[in-house]
Amino acid sequence: QSVLTQPPSASGTPGQRVTISCSGSSSNIGSDYVYWYQQLPGTAPKLLIYNNNQRPSGVPDRFSGSKSGTSASLAISGLRSEDEGNFYCAAWDDSLSGYVFGSGTKVTAL
Amino acid sequence: EVQLVESGGGLVQPGGSLRLSCAASGFNFSDYWMTWVRQAPGEGLEWVATINEDGSEKYYVDSVKGRFTISRDKAKNSVYLQMHSLRAEDTAVYYCARDYAGVGFDIWGQGTMVTVSS
Repeated sequence: QSVLTQPPSASGTPGQRVTISCSGSSSNIGSDYVYWYQQLPGTAPKLLIYNNNQRPSGVPDRFSGSKSGTSASLAISGLRSEDEGNFYCAAWDDSLSGYVFGSGTKVTAL
Repeated sequence: EVQLVESGGGLVQPGGSLRLSCAASGFNFSDYWMTWVRQAPGEGLEWVATINEDGSEKYYVDSVKGRFTISRDKAKNSVYLQMHSLRAEDTAVYYCARDYAGVGFDIWGQGTMVTVSS
């Protein structure tokens, strides 16, 4: 049972907007930054969003993040087939004194 | 090129020990926190341990406290994960990641597989 809750799957046709939610609590999302990681099949995870809504250099601007209270979301506008993979949210948890990950959301382009 | 390369994984019996290594290159290793994250077969990501720049602060997930130790060697630009009393549930790919304060885990290694089985 993950501390951060994500839907197990999300899908859309190419070009559609897909959003993934991440629900936490006051000890993690509610008090610290949210990060999003993308893991393509057979590869190591990659940082997609940091500090709730910032994109590292090289990440396309169709990926965007937001946070409100104890929840966060990742949006992919203009879904592409190469986006298919698993997406994880993460945050530092003050109560656990450690990082926590969401259970992951598998994104499929139909 | 900024790079992290893990090594040391393998097959170990329950109750055994293993030491993972992660060699960093292409950046000033001493400036960064470092983290280990693992992924059991077919499962999601799980944070394991983090160490600060000079090794004075260490954090662990509850399930490995007392069994795993994270350490670093500035001279070798390496971070380590010493694992004792291994259990079947420790079976996973172990990733080393650069923990850039305020930015997250921005650089990842390719991972090293640890299998705990008799």
